[in-house]
Amino acid sequence: ETAVFQTPNYHVTQVGNEVSFNCKQTLGHDTMYWYKQDSKKLLKIMFSYNNKQLIVNETVPRRFSPQSSDKAHLNLRIKSVEPEDSAVYLCASSPLQGSYEQYFGPGTRLTVL
Amino acid sequence: GEKVEQHESTLSVREGDSAVINCTYTDTASSYFPWYKQEAGKSLHFVIDIRSNVDRKQSQRLTVLLDKKAKRFSLHITATQPEDSAIYFCAASPYQGGRALIFGTGTTVSVSP
Repeated sequence: ETAVFQTPNYHVTQVGNEVSFNCKQTLGHDTMYWYKQDSKKLLKIMFSYNNKQLIVNETVPRRFSPQSSDKAHLNLRIKSVEPEDSAVYLCASSPLQGSYEQYFGPGTRLTVL
Repeated sequence: GEKVEQHESTLSVREGDSAVINCTYTDTASSYFPWYKQEAGKSLHFVIDIRSNVDRKQSQRLTVLLDKKAKRFSLHITATQPEDSAIYFCAASPYQGGRALIFGTGTTVSVSP
């Protein structure tokens, strides 16, 4: 049962373009995350965010930025995509207290030509 | 920062046999260790977790062991079934709830009939 929704499922674009991915969770969680999964299936945290604090992985290039309108939404914007940005971007959410389990969305696959 | 090493990249077992996946971590501050499963073409799905205040946790056919001294944890799957075939990721978090996960590189488990 999906409770973390991501759009689009796929996106193909050219180098230098701007893209934006959406994520919404209906679990009432306080914290949301963006992870990147590359072609070798390696998973890396990019951002974690709750309504008080944004934590950025220091290895994330500045062209990436999270955007949140409320605690149920966390979008990801890439200002000028590069070929190495081709990957699956996974959104997740978790409660701030109690269970630490993170719930993942289906992912957005980005291909940069 | 935390680094998680997942020792087995692939694991092939016969249906009914047991499978063990081993992970090590570097940060003594890590206190939360979840496992996730990723089936082909799908997103990550939570499997089981363990917190640093215990050294063993069991859920049906799954058992997680944690050795804080050795900074090592492992996932044991008994009576494997074909539907256990997937990529399994271990992860660690040096924080209490609501924080990002540092993932291992994944173990592809194949269960043959």
